[in-house]
Amino acid sequence: EAQVTQNPRYLITVTGKKLTVTCSQNMNHEYMSWYRQDPGLGLRQIYYSMNVEVTDKGDVPEGYKVSRKEKRNFPLILESPSPNQTSLYFCASSRSPDPGEETQYFGPGTRLLVL
Amino acid sequence: GNSVTQMEGPVTLSEEAFLTINCTYTATGYPSLFWYVQYPGEGLQLLLKATKADDKGSNKGFEATYRKETTSFHLEKGSVQVSDSAVYFCAVNTGNQFYFGTGTSLTVIP
Repeated sequence: EAQVTQNPRYLITVTGKKLTVTCSQNMNHEYMSWYRQDPGLGLRQIYYSMNVEVTDKGDVPEGYKVSRKEKRNFPLILESPSPNQTSLYFCASSRSPDPGEETQYFGPGTRLLVL
Repeated sequence: GNSVTQMEGPVTLSEEAFLTINCTYTATGYPSLFWYVQYPGEGLQLLLKATKADDKGSNKGFEATYRKETTSFHLEKGSVQVSDSAVYFCAVNTGNQFYFGTGTSLTVIP
């Protein structure tokens, strides 16, 4: 089954404790992206990647890191989480490096609470 | 900069009513426009898209027309069903980045 998977789905952590949210797609997609969803703000793009070893900042990259060592994986790293990073996070992927031409497929979301 | 302004919700309609959710955008160049739908507890799913001016995207009875002159991409459906209850997001793609609206929650009551 074609899908985007994220782990964990739910996470409670404390300020400053490094964490990684994994994202994996099995569709051989070129483009991958991370978003955060907050009430009243919709989805905002954190980082995106057009291919292996190519990553770029989105609208709200501060406090986050990503890597794209393999085509299928695109982990989101919070080196020192803070309470303002409490949010619902979505990973997405699409076949083409031009995401305007292709459908983005979204993962199920990771709900993060930073105390 | 680039942005999307979407009609505030929540919206509550009776079954078979007509739906319009307004969306306007600010973007440089020739963006692609999208509507995504999010059902409770799930990720977003593409509902429809349009990639150039005057294109009409349609799917599952929903339609939206890319109006460059008014920078709008309003979502419409002639007769909503209870199963259409969800949150709807308008989005713009410029180059490699996406910009989403704040979402409009729709509840359809029998």
